[in-house]
Amino acid sequence: NAGVTQTPKFRILKIGQSMTLQCAQDMNHNYMYWYRQDPGMGLKLIYYSVGAGITDKGEVPNGYNVSRSTTEDFPLRLELAAPSQTSVYFCASSYLALAFTDTQYFGPGTRLTVL
Amino acid sequence: TQLLEQSPQFLSIQEGENLTVYCNSSSVFSSLQWYRQEPGEGPVLLVTVVTGGEVKKLKRLTFQFGDARKDSSLHITAAQPGDTGLYLCAGGGIQGAQKLVFGQGTRLTINP
Repeated sequence: NAGVTQTPKFRILKIGQSMTLQCAQDMNHNYMYWYRQDPGMGLKLIYYSVGAGITDKGEVPNGYNVSRSTTEDFPLRLELAAPSQTSVYFCASSYLALAFTDTQYFGPGTRLTVL
Repeated sequence: TQLLEQSPQFLSIQEGENLTVYCNSSSVFSSLQWYRQEPGEGPVLLVTVVTGGEVKKLKRLTFQFGDARKDSSLHITAAQPGDTGLYLCAGGGIQGAQKLVFGQGTRLTINP
């Protein structure tokens, strides 16, 4: 199993550009998550999904959109990139319905810089 | 404001010393997880505690969940350079929500 994969690893965007961060998992997990990690701030939840076709907002959803058409994929869309979105983005997945008692498996992250 | 406060945020000690990292909140959690993160990688789960007062050991690492399920600690005995990394606590189930809230992390450096 590849686990959770993310592409790209690094990206530089100009202000106002858009992009999609890709995330895929091959563990047949129901739950998938997008986090951002800023220096000294831990991880903040952006969006999460409990299954294909079902998504919900986390703590910091503004400026982002998600969709989940399959169990395996959970892309994160940035529209009109802003310098405040400079961060490292992590995708994660877990299996159990009570997700907070289960193991979350994280991808390697995407480092995004908006200039 | 941070729902989960970790202390210290930075810690640099010599190999062989003992240390404790704290994770505190004014909120009650259903569970508390500890993750370790290496540079350039995603966090990896170390342990989950779910019962107030619960203690779990992972080799030289001892994790404790507070009796009131508002705080947790991570104690490392005889620290080794391989323990270097970012340690994150994460609380789950606050107000029944099925997601985790992370602390800001403790960056630990063990010097040979």
